[in-house]
Amino acid sequence: ETGVTQTPRHLVMGMTNKKSLKCEQHLGHNAMYWYKQSAKKPLELMFVYNFKEQTENNSVPSRFSPECPNSSHLFLHLHTLQPEDSALYLCASRLDDRNSPLHFGNGTRLTVT
Amino acid sequence: GENVEQHPSTLSVQEGDSAVIKCTYSDSASNYFPWYKQELGKGPQLIIDIRSNVGEKKDQRIAVTLNKTAKHFSLHITETQPEDSAVYFCAACHSSASKIIFGSGTRLSIRP
Repeated sequence: ETGVTQTPRHLVMGMTNKKSLKCEQHLGHNAMYWYKQSAKKPLELMFVYNFKEQTENNSVPSRFSPECPNSSHLFLHLHTLQPEDSALYLCASRLDDRNSPLHFGNGTRLTVT
Repeated sequence: GENVEQHPSTLSVQEGDSAVIKCTYSDSASNYFPWYKQELGKGPQLIIDIRSNVGEKKDQRIAVTLNKTAKHFSLHITETQPEDSAVYFCAACHSSASKIIFGSGTRLSIRP
């Protein structure tokens, strides 16, 4: 158990579907992150939230829409995705201390058909 | 912005031997360097980290070294065991940024 829970673990969706990924942490952290992990690529930062405010948007296409209603929950809303968006989407959290580590969930494996 | 390079991309060692993974970073303001291990079907898990005010840190069979002048840091695993087989990522971060930038990963295989 990592302390960061992601649901669902696996998701298959068509290009016209709308779906959401959910992340929840009970570590008392106040910063939450979305990363994309594709085969043979480094972990790509997508979004960062500090105290529910978005502080980083790493030039992510608008078909990905994050939501952070409180410091414990983070969502990634998906619509009209492309097959190249198929990847492992990882959520992470950390204390708002720039020398503290990220704690990752086990990810959602997304396949876009 | 920060760039982290990691080598090698794959590494195979005999069980019981040592493994070394090396990273370089570009931003001299970086001051925090975590290492993560990712097993199949799981997210990356922190295994050790080092801050720029120290040059070396050890935790049982794992050690990390940091050369700030050369902007290099390395992970050393001694007496490797089958359960060490995984993908390892280095990362760099500096205190004025919320971003943690990751290397491209090293797939470590331990031969029995």
